[in-house]
Amino acid sequence: KAGVTQTPRYLIKTRGQQVTLSCSPISGHRSVSWYQQTPGQGLQFLFEYFSETQRNKGNFPGRFSGRQFSNSRSEMNVSTLELGDSALYLCASSLATSGGNNEQFFGPGTRLTVL
Amino acid sequence: GQSLEQPSEVTAVEGAIVQINCTYQTSGFYGLSWYQQHDGGAPTFLSYNALDGLEETGRFSSFLSRSDSYGYLLLQELQMKDSASYFCAVRARTDSGGYQKVTFGIGTKLQVIP
Repeated sequence: KAGVTQTPRYLIKTRGQQVTLSCSPISGHRSVSWYQQTPGQGLQFLFEYFSETQRNKGNFPGRFSGRQFSNSRSEMNVSTLELGDSALYLCASSLATSGGNNEQFFGPGTRLTVL
Repeated sequence: GQSLEQPSEVTAVEGAIVQINCTYQTSGFYGLSWYQQHDGGAPTFLSYNALDGLEETGRFSSFLSRSDSYGYLLLQELQMKDSASYFCAVRARTDSGGYQKVTFGIGTKLQVIP
């Protein structure tokens, strides 16, 4: 079974630009979560999508948005990029069942650098 | 809201035992997970505790005390390859909608030395 894939793996943008990152979950997984990881800040939760609906949202400004398609693939968009948006953006998928451990499977991440 | 606390760094000797603690504050608690992340890699799932007690998986064990809002990850017979960051993560009910949300701690960087 293929793992979670993210594209692109690396991205360099300049301040003010916008960026779209893509995530394909493991087949059968309907939940996709996005995290921002920076040194010293751990994994900061951005949002979670389930069956094309945003279920949860973290404390990020409105410049950060996302969506999920009917095939569970998800995209996140960051508009008006700032230097502080430079980070590793991780996508994780899970079965999101009501019981069980709801293990999250992470993709390799997209390393975004804003100049 | 939810908050988690774990040490930022731990150093231990190869072959020894190390314990990484995690305390949390949350309502609607469901369970505590642990993830491992090597430098340049993605986090990978290690364990999950929903009930009080110790769960053992090979050299790794995880403990939870719901009454104390506390858990720990125990790594035995440390190997050099165990050098990585370890994250605790709380799964809890959100304030609205009845959905579940996972919140990660800041991570503990474990360095195993010869």
